[in-house]
Amino acid sequence: EIVLTQSPGTLSLSPGERATLSCRASQSVSSSYLAWYQQKPGQAPRLLIYGASSRATGIPDRFSGSGSGTDFTLTISRLEPEDFAVYYCQHYGSSPPAYTFGQGTRLEIK
Amino acid sequence: QVTLKESGPVLVKPTETLTLTCTVSGFSLSNARMGVSWIRQSPGKALEWLAHIFANDEKSSSTSLKSRLTISKDTSKSQVVLTMTNMDPVDTAAYYCARTKTTVAGAFDIWGQGTMVTVSS
Repeated sequence: EIVLTQSPGTLSLSPGERATLSCRASQSVSSSYLAWYQQKPGQAPRLLIYGASSRATGIPDRFSGSGSGTDFTLTISRLEPEDFAVYYCQHYGSSPPAYTFGQGTRLEIK
Repeated sequence: QVTLKESGPVLVKPTETLTLTCTVSGFSLSNARMGVSWIRQSPGKALEWLAHIFANDEKSSSTSLKSRLTISKDTSKSQVVLTMTNMDPVDTAAYYCARTKTTVAGAFDIWGQGTMVTVSS
């Protein structure tokens, strides 16, 4: 069973700064099935990135994803006030079908 | 417009069985490119995937909860139902249903608003 470990647990930055969030898989995974979500308090998660690097519909281009194998990164190029939230990575494995989430990274205003 | 909406009890007692319904609109549960999962989130905790059902009725569930979970769908009613047996206070959580689509490769592109379930006597 794949385990996703996100780091850091909490990231404190200021608006305008660049954020780099990490997601490490316990074994090599297909980048085709790695996604990132944003969740704000009291809301459902929102899909940001799928296939490790493809932005979902309506997601601003300041959000980008990269990585392969066991190491994946979500980058927010210039933080806007609305970007402060919790971010989760997620993997889909097909044999057997199973979905795994990381434990999340909280991005807070410094 | 694609939407998913969860419904079910707000409060269940320990040992009882929880039944949750996800009613979808804007797409068909028979669409081969789509599936629906149930995901939960205990207060202040991370997301936890529970179970998934594909258009062809293939099902999959979390290894750790497999013995307690049943997922099914009624395509004519556009509903996906999750049952979880032997509920415990640790199962207190917000329960979400979410859609996957092959074009986003196993990601959950649309989520319901979630329904909070408290397990208490």
